[in-house]
Amino acid sequence: GAGVSQSPRYKVAKRGQDVALRCDPISGHVSLFWYQQALGQGPEFLTYFQNEAQLDKSGLPSDRFFAERPEGSVSTLKIQRTQQEDSAVYLCASSTGTGEHEQYFGPGTRLTVT
Amino acid sequence: KNQVEQSPQSLIILEGKNCTLQCNYTVSPFSNLRWYKQDTGRGPVSLTIMTFSENTKSNGRYTATLDADTKQSSLHITASQLSDSASYICVVRSVLGSGYALNFGKGTSLLVTP
Repeated sequence: GAGVSQSPRYKVAKRGQDVALRCDPISGHVSLFWYQQALGQGPEFLTYFQNEAQLDKSGLPSDRFFAERPEGSVSTLKIQRTQQEDSAVYLCASSTGTGEHEQYFGPGTRLTVT
Repeated sequence: KNQVEQSPQSLIILEGKNCTLQCNYTVSPFSNLRWYKQDTGRGPVSLTIMTFSENTKSNGRYTATLDADTKQSSLHITASQLSDSASYICVVRSVLGSGYALNFGKGTSLLVTP
């Protein structure tokens, strides 16, 4: 079956623009995670959904970052008034549960803010 | 602060040779430890998962070890292949009340050359 997909794969934005990144999790996966991965670094947790509920958003770096999952499947990460330090790969992962269940990662969206 | 430190930062080996990657962590309380392989431009893919009571686990040419007393893990790759070139990320899961946190290392970048 299909894995986690993300779109767009690459996004170039001018500083100050708003961007929206989409994640399509594996069908039936209740948990969805967003991570930010800077160049040469490991992923850093941003936020977590269980179905449509956003249970943890402690990793969002500022109030310019907003995530939603209104119907408990597709999720969108929105970044308002992008800054150069927002340049990174944004990874989405989904899993069947919240315990020991493996997270399956999408290919990521590479955001470059110029 | 929970930390996951990986070494070396990067490694170059000849095809067919073996190598060992290290992961030291201070994460507490410990739940499990995963090694992920991340190909360039792709999301991480889980190689192994180890819980507190396990001290070795193999997946094909990959063998992971865990010493929960010293909080150290290693990933040994046998008879390396060109396709092993990737970033290898150590992720330690800790339990937080009713939830959990994933603590990512920065990864070891492995290049296998002909």
